[in-house]
Amino acid sequence: RKEVEQDPGPFNVPEGATVAFNCTYSNSASQSFFWYRQDCRKEPKLLMSVYSSGNEDGRFTAQLNRASQYISLLIRDSKLSDSATYLCVVSSWGFNKFYFGSGTKLNVKP
Amino acid sequence: SQTIHQWPATLVQPVGSPLSLECTVEGTSNPNLYWYRQAAGRGLQLLFYSVGIGQISSEVPQNLSASRPQDRQFILSSKKLLLSDSGFYLCAWRTDIEKGRGGWDTGELFFGEGSRLTVL
Repeated sequence: RKEVEQDPGPFNVPEGATVAFNCTYSNSASQSFFWYRQDCRKEPKLLMSVYSSGNEDGRFTAQLNRASQYISLLIRDSKLSDSATYLCVVSSWGFNKFYFGSGTKLNVKP
Repeated sequence: SQTIHQWPATLVQPVGSPLSLECTVEGTSNPNLYWYRQAAGRGLQLLFYSVGIGQISSEVPQNLSASRPQDRQFILSSKKLLLSDSGFYLCAWRTDIEKGRGGWDTGELFFGEGSRLTVL
């Protein structure tokens, strides 16, 4: 079983739509959670960390459900510039390892 | 502020040739450093990580090796490249977040711009 699993998509949505991605992780001891964004042929960049209480950054909202071991990312009012691959990342303190999902591709259409 | 540099950005190598990719970090000391590889259309695969000078942990047995000769320098090498070594190689460093009362949380990874390797 993979450490982190994501729906690969692609998600094709019109501008202005709301879209949600989910990600599940297998290690219940995981402590740190992140969403990264990767543009085509570029390095991944941190979009946001995911906190236990959930957190919001503008149009982006991240949620963590420890009981069910999943993380979600909600994007409201999608922009063309949101088109990218979104990577779910999980880590545990002391293990020095970050586990990446394979990514969910988002295409926002005009 | 901290920065991370990788080079070369792009290279095309014949099968059987050697490889050396270099990564340096500025603006921090004793960082945890990582090498990842991303094959075309695939996710990130952890290759090596290092918690200090001369300390290398290998995640995937293959014909690659890593070295950390200085605190902020991380090198990925191969003596003989295979076709399957083609991919996008990413170096990263990790922050740690002090929580207070002596506790720490794992911070996020910051990536270099990557080195795109094509083996022919």
